Amino acid sequence: AQKITQTQPGMFVQEKEAVTLDCTYDTSDPSYGLFWYKQPSSGEMIFLIYQGSYDQQNATEGRYSLNFQKARKSANLVISASQLGDSAMYFCAMRLISNFGNEKLTFGTGTRLTIIP
Amino acid sequence: DVKVTQSSRYLVKRTGEKVFLECVQDMDHENMFWYRQDPGLGLRLIYFSYDVKMKEKGDIPEGYSVSREKKERFSLILESASTNQTSMYLCASSLGSPRGSPLHFGNGTRLTVT
Repeated sequence: AQKITQTQPGMFVQEKEAVTLDCTYDTSDPSYGLFWYKQPSSGEMIFLIYQGSYDQQNATEGRYSLNFQKARKSANLVISASQLGDSAMYFCAMRLISNFGNEKLTFGTGTRLTIIP
Repeated sequence: DVKVTQSSRYLVKRTGEKVFLECVQDMDHENMFWYRQDPGLGLRLIYFSYDVKMKEKGDIPEGYSVSREKKERFSLILESASTNQTSMYLCASSLGSPRGSPLHFGNGTRLTVT
């Protein structure tokens, strides 16, 4: 079965510390993609970072990096030097191809991150 | 900037009513999606569309239908609303290619069925 798993329902981290949010996935498709989204209390979904299954390098976007370990099927999000504004819900998602050849995203259950001053 | 607009932020409907949730995007995206978000369950895909008049069932299509008569508009229809359809509904759109284009989301519609 193709699925994506986030095992940390909630995390508390001291401001300025680095944070790692866990994400594991399961698919037999050799071509897939992994996304991370942030959802602050306002409810909007903000795209953070993307990693393709064939990408050689781990993706980075500013303070965000994706620790992609293909053999372990994990795609953890690392936030360096956390800030109070990082407090939000974080979702990992996997791009899959449906039985009819169309692209869709499947999301994990999310991790609520709280940054403590 | 891509804009995805959902017509209502909050909606209250009665059991058995037919409910329409509307979504419009302004970036000529091929793909459009409807998700529902519930605490502890994350986002679950209801239906998606990859072209005008084309649709495909997601993971939880029961009790829902969709319509895409124009490229920019994707409607979610609850044929006979039930209390277990009380949820936050999120619409999203993305380019058809390249593969891996991110989804752009609307601000959501919080639907309460009483």
